[in-house]
Amino acid sequence: GNSVTQMEGPVTLSEEAFLTINCTYTATGYPSLFWYVQYPGEGLQLLLKATKADDKGSNKGFEATYRKETTSFHLEKGSVQVSDSAVYFCALTLYGNNRLAFGKGNQVVVIP
Amino acid sequence: GAVVSQHPSWVICKSGTSVKIECRSLDFQATTMFWYRQFPKQSLMLMATSNEGSKATYEQGVEKDKFLINHASLTLSTLTVTSAHPEDSSFYICSAGKTGTTEAFFGQGTRLTVV
Repeated sequence: GNSVTQMEGPVTLSEEAFLTINCTYTATGYPSLFWYVQYPGEGLQLLLKATKADDKGSNKGFEATYRKETTSFHLEKGSVQVSDSAVYFCALTLYGNNRLAFGKGNQVVVIP
Repeated sequence: GAVVSQHPSWVICKSGTSVKIECRSLDFQATTMFWYRQFPKQSLMLMATSNEGSKATYEQGVEKDKFLINHASLTLSTLTVTSAHPEDSSFYICSAGKTGTTEAFFGQGTRLTVV
């Protein structure tokens, strides 16, 4: 089946630190990959996406590269801010049908 | 833009009553909408796919008689939690797809508390 695996546990880091959240996927076809962000008490917002191998999605200083050879889509940001504190979900969809499979999410807490 | 509005944002109801949650695409037509459920500190679980003008497709393990979905127009899908119980308390989120894009647009979610 199609699934997404995110690294375990919350992530706590200091302001201006480097952030990496790992995401790997299993898919029967060629998925589109996404990172969504959820701020407290809110719905999900698309952070970035990539639709084919070697594509790099980027937004608000965040980046992720679609790596087919390692089936990964790791999220990175060079210098986090307190406002980046949120839950981050990696997700995939096949066939462009908007039906998403999500990873478990990672709580990111940035302390001043 | 592509805005999805979900209403209400939170609701408290008594055990045994039914609650209806609305999901509207405000500036585009959505032939397909999706309903997810999110438990505390967990991921989103797809409950069902709502298809305009036809029956919803439910994921395995989701009770279709308990979670009634109606997609009567191209801009509105509703989820009704029937005979709610405390274990139905959760965060429910809808999403809608826009033709020509792989991106799904999410509502702001509904926090349901059954007491």
